Amino acid sequence: NAGVMQNPRHLVRRRGQEARLRCSPVKGHSHVYWYRQLPEEGLKFMVYLQKENIIDESGMPKERFSAEFPKEGPSILRIQQVVRGDSAAYFCASRTTYNSPLHFGNGTRLTVT
Amino acid sequence: AQTVTQSQPEMSVQEAETVTLSCTYDTSESDYYLFWYKQPPSRQMILVIRQEAYKQQNATENRFSVNFQKAAKSFSLKISDSQLGDAAMYFCAYRSARRKQGGSEKLVFGKGTKLTVNP
Repeated sequence: NAGVMQNPRHLVRRRGQEARLRCSPVKGHSHVYWYRQLPEEGLKFMVYLQKENIIDESGMPKERFSAEFPKEGPSILRIQQVVRGDSAAYFCASRTTYNSPLHFGNGTRLTVT
Repeated sequence: AQTVTQSQPEMSVQEAETVTLSCTYDTSESDYYLFWYKQPPSRQMILVIRQEAYKQQNATENRFSVNFQKAAKSFSLKISDSQLGDAAMYFCAYRSARRKQGGSEKLVFGKGTKLTVNP
């Protein structure tokens, strides 16, 4: 069984460009989380999605950031007009149901130059 | 809001010896879960151990055990017989057990402790 797959593993963008981060959850998992890890910090919650629905986006910056988890295909975290402060590792995690174990991907490291 | 504090940015231990990593948390809830995650240089987040707050017995997974003190809101991780492969960042995390309408059951992480294992 494949785990949570995130790609790309590394992404370099210039200031003002768009970044698209993809996450394929474990097969059969319908709950997806995105977390951000700034340098020397723990992971911080950004958004929680179920298929086609955003359930909790309380950790998402109000502007430039959006997330989706369509009926078919991977979950996408999109950052428009990136700035240097967006440089971080972005992790996706998935689970089947409430209280089931959370499976993490290996993260995407975004570098904004 | 819940917070998790790891007061030791770095720790080191000799191979085969025992080390304890500290974690305290703040919450007004009575029902929750606590976790320790390991993050090696590969960046993968690996679940080490999980504790349910309603259980008085401390969780144990092979060489890893916790000391859960609910009244003190303390949740330390003990690694026995340390191995070179234990070297990593260790994160303590909290999750509410109460299902809330529209809630996310998200994890709240501490800032981590970098563990070095000396041969």
